[in-house]
Amino acid sequence: SQKIEQNSEALNIQEGKTATLTCNYTNYSPAYLQWYRQDPGRGPVFLLLIRENEKEKRKERLKVTFDTTLKQSLFHITASQPADSATYLCALNSLGGSQGNLIFGKGTKLSVKP
Amino acid sequence: DTAVSQTPKYLVTQMGNDKSIKCEQNLGHDTMYWYKQDSKKFLKIMFSYNNKELIINETVPNRFSPKSPDKAHLNLHINSLELGDSAVYFCASSQGYEPAQYFGPGTRLTVL
Repeated sequence: SQKIEQNSEALNIQEGKTATLTCNYTNYSPAYLQWYRQDPGRGPVFLLLIRENEKEKRKERLKVTFDTTLKQSLFHITASQPADSATYLCALNSLGGSQGNLIFGKGTKLSVKP
Repeated sequence: DTAVSQTPKYLVTQMGNDKSIKCEQNLGHDTMYWYKQDSKKFLKIMFSYNNKELIINETVPNRFSPKSPDKAHLNLHINSLELGDSAVYFCASSQGYEPAQYFGPGTRLTVL
């Protein structure tokens, strides 16, 4: 069955550094991969989407890469700030049923220290 | 200007009761979803629905049923609540099967 793993449950970094979060998947070749941000007590917020034929996508300080050979996506936040502290979720569209149904990883909780 | 709203935000109830959670989106989207986030923060799809089809995750008990009075609303009805139903429930919407989904603020359900 499809499986998504975000290897780190938590990541602590210093302000100004680049945060790199990892998402790996198995038993699947998704058409696209998404990253969401979730703050405590709130719903996930869509950040970026990358399609299977794209290697890299950028949006301001965010960068996502997608390696379909390694079955891995990396999510980078450059020049990190304390306001970037949140849980970041990786999501893939599910096989079968509705292509809109997403399968989420368990998330990585990022803490950026001043 | 809340894009996806849910009511109530908190719901505390006894085992065996029947309850509903309401969801409304003002984005003009035609597909809506319900997700469950358990105590380990794992977010799992329950249903997706547009005016043509309802897709049910096979692991969802039939005590749970989505009801859509119109395109902008997808309510979640839960019968005979059990302790294991305690979780945060999120509604989301998207346009067709466009990948990006927009989530509501969540409803924290506690079953005593």
